[in-house]
Amino acid sequence: KQEVTQIPAALSVPEGENLVLNCSFTDSAIYNLQWFRQDPGKGLTSLLLIQSSQREQTSGRLNASLDKSSGRSTLYIAASQPGDSATYLCAGSGAAGNKLTFGGGTRVLVKP
Amino acid sequence: EAQVTQNPRYLITVTGKKLTVTCSQNMNHEYMSWYRQDPGLGLRQIYYSMNVEVTDKGDVPEGYKVSRKEKRNFPLILESPSPNQTSLYFCASSGLAGGPDTQYFGPGTRLTVL
Repeated sequence: KQEVTQIPAALSVPEGENLVLNCSFTDSAIYNLQWFRQDPGKGLTSLLLIQSSQREQTSGRLNASLDKSSGRSTLYIAASQPGDSATYLCAGSGAAGNKLTFGGGTRVLVKP
Repeated sequence: EAQVTQNPRYLITVTGKKLTVTCSQNMNHEYMSWYRQDPGLGLRQIYYSMNVEVTDKGDVPEGYKVSRKEKRNFPLILESPSPNQTSLYFCASSGLAGGPDTQYFGPGTRLTVL
């Protein structure tokens, strides 16, 4: 059974600093890995999806890597801004379908 | 605009009173699913559907029912709600059943069962 872990649970950085968010998973047969952003009381917004055959994906200031052999994914956010403050969730999908197993999330605060 | 909609967004009800939370997507997606989000437990899948008339249990299906009579709709039914079903519920959809496709989430339904 896939288990997904995100450490730390919370992170505070000054504006302008690069953010590094970690995600680890137990089953290397992961089909794809997706990063989401969730604002308080709101739904989930998909940020990046990395397919199992890929090693990274980039979108603007965001870059996500996937290392299946070590069971890790990392989300990098360059030059953080106060608007980046949110909870970031990673989720892995198994080959049996599109079921997502979520990590507990990392709550990020970017201080002006 | 491509989106997943849920109704109602907020609901307060009493134990045992049947309720339905609707979910609809306008992207012609095959795959739809329901999750609940609880503090300390994160997001957990309740039920999913790979296509019309095809549904299966997720990790926490007890106390819930679903149906998939049309491709665009995937309602979540609580026949006899209990206080432990108080939670934030999300519906999600994606295009390729079993394929590597981005999942889109609805805005959430906050349910309180008294």
